Amino acid sequence: RKEVEQDPGPFNVPEGATVAFNCTYSNSASQSFFWYRQDCRKEPKLLMSVYSSGNEDGRFTAQLNRASQYISLLIRDSKLSDSATYLCVVNADNYGQNFVFGPGTRLSVLP
Amino acid sequence: NAGVTQTPKFQVLKTGQSMTLQCAQDMNHNSMYWYRQDPGMGLRLIYYSASEGTTDKGEVPNGYNVSRLNKREFSLRLESAAPSQTSVYFCASSYSSFDSSYNEQFFGPGTRLTVL
Repeated sequence: RKEVEQDPGPFNVPEGATVAFNCTYSNSASQSFFWYRQDCRKEPKLLMSVYSSGNEDGRFTAQLNRASQYISLLIRDSKLSDSATYLCVVNADNYGQNFVFGPGTRLSVLP
Repeated sequence: NAGVTQTPKFQVLKTGQSMTLQCAQDMNHNSMYWYRQDPGMGLRLIYYSASEGTTDKGEVPNGYNVSRLNKREFSLRLESAAPSQTSVYFCASSYSSFDSSYNEQFFGPGTRLTVL
């Protein structure tokens, strides 16, 4: 089993739609969780950290379920500019050597 | 601030050739990393440096060497390139501490390497 698994995608949705991405991780000792966004042929950039209580940033909501080892990202009112690959990232300690990246889920928002 | 910079952006090598990928950051971060990204596999850690003067192997270190030249610079060397090393290479940096595990990694623009 891979350490971090994500919905295989791609997701093709119309503008204005709500879309949810799921991610599961295998290391129960994982301490911190992130969603990164990667545009085509560009570097990954932090979209949001995921906290135990869940957190929201505008149209984006992230949830963490430690018991099920599951992370989700919800995007409401999708924009064309949301088209990208979304990477789930799990960190097992305080140093980046244990950042584990999921393979990513590609989203295309269509006009 | 330039953030994390990488050179070159593109490179084509023949099997057996060597080259060094350069990375520099101006954010005064203590930790730096080298990743490779291949289709369908996510980013995989090659080497990292938790602080100036230290380096450690990541998940896929074979065929690579690194040098943490100073706090700003972290280079990746391919001594004898192989086709299996065709990939996109990203350098990243972060401020890592024991106080918090939520340490964002900032990435450079990447180097697209093809080994023929």
